[in-house]
Formats: sequence, C-alpha cells, structure tokens
Amino acid sequence: QAVLTQPSSLSVSPGASASLTCTLRSGINVDTYRIYWYQQKPGSPPQYLLRYKSDSDKQRASGVPSRFSGSKDASANAGILFISGLQSEDESDYYCMIWHNSAWVFGGGTKLTVL
Amino acid sequence: QVQLQESGPGLVKPSQTLSLTCTVSGASINSDAYYWTWIRQHPGKGLEWIGYTYYSGGTYYNPSLKSRVTISIDTSKNQFSLKLISVTAADTAVYYCASGTVATFDFWGQGTLVTVSS
Repeated sequence: QAVLTQPSSLSVSPGASASLTCTLRSGINVDTYRIYWYQQKPGSPPQYLLRYKSDSDKQRASGVPSRFSGSKDASANAGILFISGLQSEDESDYYCMIWHNSAWVFGGGTKLTVL
Repeated sequence: QVQLQESGPGLVKPSQTLSLTCTVSGASINSDAYYWTWIRQHPGKGLEWIGYTYYSGGTYYNPSLKSRVTISIDTSKNQFSLKLISVTAADTAVYYCASGTVATFDFWGQGTLVTVSS
C-alpha cells in the first residue's frame, strides 16, 4: 500500500469548490505530519503551493491566492487541499508530499479538471 | 529569483551512468539559504525525490536510491550535479533540479527527459 494515496482524477465546475484528499497509509498518523502541496500544469515543472500541519502551523507560498488552503480530516487520516472559486487556470495535477522514513514522499497526484 | 537549467545526455545505455548538471543563476551555490535538489518524474506518473545537497557539500539521499546516487556541488561553476549508476529502463524519467528550503522546492528547472535504452 502506498504511503500517500490521492484520487487519480476530479472534475469540478467553474466557480465551485474542490477538496483534494491525500490519505496516509494506515499506521501513519496524519496529525504528526506537515503535508505539502504542489501544483503541476501540463508541460511545466511543479510549483509549491502550501503546507499544512495545523491552524497554527501552516504556510502558503508567496503569490499563491488565498483561494488555496490546507486542512486535515483526522477521521479519514487525510490531508486536504481546498480550492474555492475554481477557475480554468486551476486545471492541473496536484501532488501531496510528506517526510516519511527519511525521504520526501509524494502521492500519486490528482488530475483536476475544471469544466 | 533563482533560475535553474538541467543539462546532460538524453539517452543512456542500460548499466551505464546517468550524469546531469544543473546550472544555477540568481543565487550562489554557496548560499546557506538553499538546498539543491534532484527530483524525477516517470513518464505520465508521479514525482520521486532523489536527494539534495547544500552549501557545505553535505548530502541526503532517498534510501531507495542511495546505493546508486551521488549529488555534488561545483562552486567554481555555480552548478550541482547528479550521478546515477547502473541504470535500467526503470530510470527513464524527466529529471528536475530544484532549490528551496529543506522542505519546499520553490524553484525548478524545466526538466530534462532521460531515456535508458540500448
């Protein structure tokens, strides 16, 4: 079982909101991790968006709109990237990342389609 | 603004060594503000962190690749490099160099596709 599991795809209408989940493998407690999120547009390298551990330990990268935010769902053992007011430019692949067992580990990514 | 550019062969034969260089502009490779990182992305798939180095020359590698990887700094050229030995087709990927803090990869090169094939 992968360390981080993300849905492979998600389709949302323009103007709506999207919650992208990043589920940690059973036995890895989401409460103890900072979760980092990256956005990758086709043909481009990823871009760092934000990190979230708790409401007192979070950071959005410079220039990232406040429409992007992080949270956690402890009951699901998951990190969440929330995007409000979806725009066509938000159509991208989104990757979560944690530091686990002495390595940075990425999730498999979610392809977000805005249509 | 830090800018990064990967360079190196696009085709490597199986069992040989993959060697890539990342040229840095807009920052000194000697800066203690940055970690210098290599990440790869297999075709159509997700990201894999390879490892990083920093100004002192110290390194940290992904345990899954540690036995085959070397990352080093060339301060005279403001570059850092990646060597991956004993490559197989599974090492075919787009290789990115990146920089930032230990946890946030703030600046990225455009990536270079390396194909392992005879």
